[in-house]
Amino acid sequence: KNQVEQSPQSLIILEGKNCTLQCNYTVSPFSNLRWYKQDTGRGPVSLTIMTFSENTKSNGRYTATLDADTKQSSLHITASQLSDSASYICVVSDTGNQFYFGTGTSLTVIP
Amino acid sequence: DTEVTQTPKHLVMGMTNKKSLKCEQHMGHRAMYWYKQKAKKPPELMFVYSYEKLSINESVPSRFSPECPNSSLLNLHLHALQPEDSALYLCASSQGGGFGYTFGSGTRLTVV
Repeated sequence: KNQVEQSPQSLIILEGKNCTLQCNYTVSPFSNLRWYKQDTGRGPVSLTIMTFSENTKSNGRYTATLDADTKQSSLHITASQLSDSASYICVVSDTGNQFYFGTGTSLTVIP
Repeated sequence: DTEVTQTPKHLVMGMTNKKSLKCEQHMGHRAMYWYKQKAKKPPELMFVYSYEKLSINESVPSRFSPECPNSSLLNLHLHALQPEDSALYLCASSQGGGFGYTFGSGTRLTVV
């Protein structure tokens, strides 16, 4: 069964600190993996997309990694800001254009 | 244009009303999606249109009626909704092969 699991479910960090979010998946055949940031009441905004051959991709203070062998991905946020408070969703697609959502990690950055 | 535009952003409707949500994209994407999202939950797939034809209906109640007038537009017609239908409704589009997957900013629907 194709599944995407994220951890932790929620996270609270101090402003300026770094954090890492995890995404494990069983989706096959794999096409790509995306990380989205979703502010409350808004649509998800894409942060990174990685295909099978990509190990790391950065977007400003966001760095995503992918280990296609172990089917794991992480999203590292550097020097967190209050505006990083949001839900972060991992979405994995298969080659048949089906999308599988993780349950998300709720990040709260406090001053 | 790399956006998916949804209107309205907010909608309050009574249980006897008829309303429509609209979604538009001009990226040439051939697949368009409707999702329903409750607070603190991931989006739940409702409908998928591929090349303007309904390809997936995730057992959605008939009070939700999708329509794809052309390759750039996707509507969701609402009728006789229940309070539990209150949610964020998201539209997305993709170019196929799992790529170019873009969400709209959503419509916050409240049924009273």
